[in-house]
Amino acid sequence: KNEVEQSPQNLTAQEGEFITINCSYSVGISALHWLQQHPGGGIVSLFMLSSGKKKHGRLIATINIQEKHSSLHITASHPRDSAVYICAVTANYGGATNKLIFGTGTLLAVQP
Amino acid sequence: DVKVTQSSRYLVKRTGEKVFLECVQDMDHENMFWYRQDPGLGLRLIYFSYDVKMKEKGDIPEGYSVSREKKERFSLILESASTNQTSMYLCASSAEVDTQYFGPGTRLTVL
Repeated sequence: KNEVEQSPQNLTAQEGEFITINCSYSVGISALHWLQQHPGGGIVSLFMLSSGKKKHGRLIATINIQEKHSSLHITASHPRDSAVYICAVTANYGGATNKLIFGTGTLLAVQP
Repeated sequence: DVKVTQSSRYLVKRTGEKVFLECVQDMDHENMFWYRQDPGLGLRLIYFSYDVKMKEKGDIPEGYSVSREKKERFSLILESASTNQTSMYLCASSAEVDTQYFGPGTRLTVL
């Protein structure tokens, strides 16, 4: 079983819809990251959070440490939001280096 | 502005060739990472480095080596490329315990 699980693996939405992508993890963490990767493009960090909720524009990320679960929400979705969204955690291995454990990603397609 | 660059976006090599992938960051970050990304498997850590001349194996180091002679540069070396090393290779860097910044990726094809 993967230490970081995302759902759904694929998601198709109509423009304007509210979108939720979920991430569950099974290890102790010091932080959780949401990343975005456009087709053929590099990876951009959207959020790093260790508790509560963060908001940036139409994107909201929440985390529940007790339940080991995080969600990424996109409000008023737009075709330019089409990308792979990746959840990753910084696991508590005790070292100073922040090795990440990645989920396999959610492929989002927003249709006009 | 944060910047991580990789030497090539696309690379085609033949089986058995020695391949060098270079990554440079301009943020004075201590930590640098090499990942490969394959469909259905997500990103997997090959090697990372937390200081000049220091390196540690990640989850899939077999068939790879790395070099970090200067803080800003981290090289991934495929000693003898094989077809199962065809993949997207991504470099990242970060400060102590912080967000990782990714390069644009190198899509390597080994024929």
